[in-house]
Amino acid sequence: DTAVSQTPKYLVTQMGNDKSIKCEQNLGHDTMYWYKQDSKKFLKIMFSYNNKELIINETVPNRFSPKSPDKAHLNLHINSLELGDSAVYFCASSQANSYYGYTFGSGTRLTVV
Amino acid sequence: AQSVTQLGSHVSVSEGALVLLRCNYSSSVPPYLFWYVQYPNQGLQLLLKYTSAATLVKGINGFEAEFKKSETSFHLTKPSAHMSDAAEYFCAVSGPNTGNQFYFGTGTSLTVIP
Repeated sequence: DTAVSQTPKYLVTQMGNDKSIKCEQNLGHDTMYWYKQDSKKFLKIMFSYNNKELIINETVPNRFSPKSPDKAHLNLHINSLELGDSAVYFCASSQANSYYGYTFGSGTRLTVV
Repeated sequence: AQSVTQLGSHVSVSEGALVLLRCNYSSSVPPYLFWYVQYPNQGLQLLLKYTSAATLVKGINGFEAEFKKSETSFHLTKPSAHMSDAAEYFCAVSGPNTGNQFYFGTGTSLTVIP
């Protein structure tokens, strides 16, 4: 069983569209995250979320919104997609104590045309 | 705020040569330190971690790293590079003093020359 799974793996869409990326973890972790990896491989935290608190990186445009139907899922909704949103998006999860590290999904490559 | 510096965004080594990837952190309190590897078109995979036990940490695929508090460093090494080691490597710091948030370095791309 995949510990952290993301769908879809590839997403090609036109500017202005709205899209969602789904993430599910079966590890029983308390916290989930979304990261954006740009073309230079730099990892940028977008959101972290547990059942108590959503922490938003203030540099993330409000076109991006996380939605968590339950503890095991954290989906990413993106409205009015722009060319600059093209990147690889990673979901990750961890226990409350970062001692154990993060477990990452395999990523979603988003291409906006 | 915590920060992690990876010296050298690109490192090339010959197959069979020593691999040395550098990582320095800024923290007044010894943190948790991690190395992750990202193979092409894949997610990040944990290589090894330091969490205040032994300062020399052994990970998967023959990699190891040594925590040196006096130098605030956590460099990653492997005695003999293999072609399959070609990947992107990320150092990260976390811990109770960061609110358990991870701070990643900017990554080092390792190329192995046959």
